[in-house]
Amino acid sequence: GDSVTQMEGPVTLSEEAFLTINCTYTATGYPSLFWYVQYPGEGLQLLLKATKADDKGSNKGFEATYRKETTSFHLEKGSVQVSDSAVYFCALSFYNQGGKLIFGQGTELSVKP
Amino acid sequence: KAGVTQTPRYLIKTRGQQVTLSCSPISGHRSVSWYQQTPGQGLQFLFEYFSETQRNKGNFPGRFSGRQFSNSRSEMNVSTLELGDSALYLCASSRTGGNSYNEQFFGPGTRLTVL
Repeated sequence: GDSVTQMEGPVTLSEEAFLTINCTYTATGYPSLFWYVQYPGEGLQLLLKATKADDKGSNKGFEATYRKETTSFHLEKGSVQVSDSAVYFCALSFYNQGGKLIFGQGTELSVKP
Repeated sequence: KAGVTQTPRYLIKTRGQQVTLSCSPISGHRSVSWYQQTPGQGLQFLFEYFSETQRNKGNFPGRFSGRQFSNSRSEMNVSTLELGDSALYLCASSRTGGNSYNEQFFGPGTRLTVL
């Protein structure tokens, strides 16, 4: 079935370090791809999205490119801040399945000053 | 504009009881989806309601059910609670369902503990 696989955490970085969180997917069709972030005690917030191959989503310094050939959607940020500490989820959905998101396991990021 | 609200935020029940959780979507949103979040299984899709009809369903037993009202508010019910039902239940709303990309907005969740 359709699934999303993320690199395991926790990931611990120093402030201003470069961040990469790997995400790969298995899907029978052509999904839209998302990164969501969950801060402690809160629900999920959409961080960025890409709806077709080669699209690049970006927001708050985070970027991810939809790579159909490698079925990947890796999250990157050039310089992380302490405030980026959170759990990051990669997810996919299909255009004909409206509200159904399939999530990866989540990657916890901890940024130290 | 108010965000997605969920009530109650915390709930403690015992095995065998039933529970009802409530979700109020963002004004104007007609689709409401429910997810279960646990440390072991992660985030799993329960079901989605759109215009008072269930349009998608995940792989959960029939003890998990839901409904949506004409004002788009939604409730989910879990009957005969089991210890494994302890989880954070998240609700998400979006403007429409169906054949389009819809950004989903999540509520803060209801933390259910089954003793």
